[in-house]
Amino acid sequence: GAGVSQTPSNKVTEKGKYVELRCDPISGHTAIYWYRQSLGQGPEFLIYFQGTGAADDSGLPNDRFFAVRPEGSVSTLKIQRTERGDSAVYLCASSLTPPGLAGDLQETQYFGPGTRLLVL
Amino acid sequence: AQSVSQHNHHVILSEAASLELGCNYSYGGTVNLFWYVQYPGQHLQLLLKYFSGDPLVKGIKGFEAEFIKSKFSFNLRKPSVQWSDTAEYFCAVTAVSASKIIFGSGTRLSIRP
Repeated sequence: GAGVSQTPSNKVTEKGKYVELRCDPISGHTAIYWYRQSLGQGPEFLIYFQGTGAADDSGLPNDRFFAVRPEGSVSTLKIQRTERGDSAVYLCASSLTPPGLAGDLQETQYFGPGTRLLVL
Repeated sequence: AQSVSQHNHHVILSEAASLELGCNYSYGGTVNLFWYVQYPGQHLQLLLKYFSGDPLVKGIKGFEAEFIKSKFSFNLRKPSVQWSDTAEYFCAVTAVSASKIIFGSGTRLSIRP
């Protein structure tokens, strides 16, 4: 079946501009996660949605970053007043059930291909 | 705070060599452990995962990892690598009931044909 999809695949913008990055989870998956991967680093957690609400946004670096999931399916990561340091690959993942179930019941996070953001 | 250390940044092996990639994590509670792989031009894929039970976990493509709780380690192994194993490998940990995966910085594996 279809995996997690992200659009656009690449985004080039200028410092100070606003950008939106979209994530389509696997059909039926209730949880969505956003990560950011800088060059030479592993992905870093940004925010997690269960349904329409952000259950954990502790990874958002500052208030320029915001994410929504209004209908409990597609999620959009929004970055205001972009800075050169925001340049990275933004990854989205989804899981069938929320985390918090011990043992083998905890659902695996499946990752999308990412959006490569370049802020000039 | 949780953290994951992957001490090998770049490993170069010849085909048929044995592989072991180190991973150590820092967390005092019960954890779930993962290895993800990213082949060139592709997205992150789950290689294997440990939740409980047998500490020796077998994954896809002949990979396995051993959870040693006393050493806070989860090293990845493969007895005989192939050129197609060229990729970036990420060790990761979550606390049980946590939403976020904490990733290591990755190990780039290059296989000489």
